[in-house]
Amino acid sequence: QVQLVESGGGVVQPGGSLRLSCATSGFTFNTFGMHWVRQAPGKGLEWVALMWNDGKTTYYADSVKGRFTISRDNSQNTLFLRMNNLRAEDTAVYYCARERDYQAYYFDYWGQGTLVTVSS
Amino acid sequence: QLVVTQSPSASASLGASVRLTCTLSSGHTYYSIAWHQQQPEKGPRFVMKINSDGSHVKGGGIPDRFSGSSSGAERYLTISSLQSEDEADYYCQTWGTDSVVFGGGAKLTVL
Repeated sequence: QVQLVESGGGVVQPGGSLRLSCATSGFTFNTFGMHWVRQAPGKGLEWVALMWNDGKTTYYADSVKGRFTISRDNSQNTLFLRMNNLRAEDTAVYYCARERDYQAYYFDYWGQGTLVTVSS
Repeated sequence: QLVVTQSPSASASLGASVRLTCTLSSGHTYYSIAWHQQQPEKGPRFVMKINSDGSHVKGGGIPDRFSGSSSGAERYLTISSLQSEDEADYYCQTWGTDSVVFGGGAKLTVL
C-alpha cells in the first residue's frame, strides 16, 4: 500500500536551517509529482512547494520562495525539503503529499506530518 | 487571482445530511477542486475530486454516503447519514499551472 513517512522535524532557532525527508513506498515514485503542504498550529492547510516527477521543475509559495528548496531522489524514493533562514511563522506540521494525476495538483495520499518549531 | 472560499463551519444531526460548499473565484469557475477531510489530531485524507460538470472521483475507502456535485462556481460535498466519525475539518483546494490554493476549511460538527 502507498506510504509516505516524513521525518526531520524539530526545534530550530530563527535564522536556522532544517532538512525534511519524506520516504515513500508502495508506488512507482518517479512517475508522480510530489508536494509539501504545511499547517500552522490551529490553522488551515497551506501549500508550500511542488516538484514534477522529472526532478527538474519546481514551484514555490511566495511565503517560502528563495528560502526553501524542494528536491527528490528517485533512486531512493524520497522527497526532501531544505528550509533555510527559518522564521517563527514557519512553525507548522509539514506534510508531504502525492499528486494523483499528472500535473493536476491535487493529492490522493498524505503523510502523517512532521512538526517544525522555530523558536529561540 | 485564484481563490477558493468556504464557510467556516457547518453542523447537522447524527443520521442527517449536510452539504459543504466551495466557491471558486471569478474567472476560474470552470476549475476542478478536491476535498480533503482532517479528523482531530490526524493528517488530511483525500475525499474526492469534483469537476465543473459535477463528475467526481473518490478516494479509496470513502463511503458511498459521500457525494459530489457542481453548479456554476460552486462545488459541493454532500455527506448523508452522518456518522460521528464524519466530524472533522474539511478543506477544498484547487490549482493553477504553478500553484495550489486551499480554502480556509470548514469545521463540521455532528450533533
